[in-house]
Amino acid sequence: KAGVTQTPRYLIKTRGQQVTLSCSPISGHRSVSWYQQTPGQGLQFLFEYFSETQRNKGNFPGRFSGRQFSNSRSEMNVSTLELGDSALYLCASSQPGLEYTGELFFGEGSRLTVL
Amino acid sequence: KQEVTQIPAALSVPEGENLVLNCSFTDSAIYNLQWFRQDPGKGLTSLLLIQSSQREQTSGRLNASLDKSSGRSTLYIAASQPGDSATYLCAVRPRETSGSRLTFGEGTQLTVNP
Repeated sequence: KAGVTQTPRYLIKTRGQQVTLSCSPISGHRSVSWYQQTPGQGLQFLFEYFSETQRNKGNFPGRFSGRQFSNSRSEMNVSTLELGDSALYLCASSQPGLEYTGELFFGEGSRLTVL
Repeated sequence: KQEVTQIPAALSVPEGENLVLNCSFTDSAIYNLQWFRQDPGKGLTSLLLIQSSQREQTSGRLNASLDKSSGRSTLYIAASQPGDSATYLCAVRPRETSGSRLTFGEGTQLTVNP
């Protein structure tokens, strides 16, 4: 069974550009959550999608957005990139029916560098 | 607001040693606590999940305990190996939020020397 798949793995952008990251959860998983990891702030929750609806949102500016498709694949978008957006963006999924109490499975992440 | 602290921030031990990593959290109202491992530049690998009603979980050489009332968890690694070198993160799922929102600690960077 394939794990959580994130694309692209690495990307470099310049300030002011926008970026879209993709996440395919484990087959059958309907909940997808996104996290940002930086050396200074650690791992911070961005948002969670369940059945194409945003269920939770972290404390990030509106430049960070996401969506989920009917096949549970999710994308996140960051507009007007800033240097501080350089980070590892991690996606996670959880088993159906266990979104509150189940194990969270993470992908390998997308490493974004903003120049 | 839930806060998670991990001590020590870094640990270096010789191969074969048994070791304990600590995690503390400020609010005992949690669904569960999960321990992860992260290798440099990689994603998170789930090691153990402890539900709030459980006291401990074991997987191979790893044993995690949970004392919810005191806001503490420990990860015990027996007979450490160089391949155990990684950053270990603990995360809690607070009851105050719903779904898959985790609050993470800063991690303990473990180095096991051959």
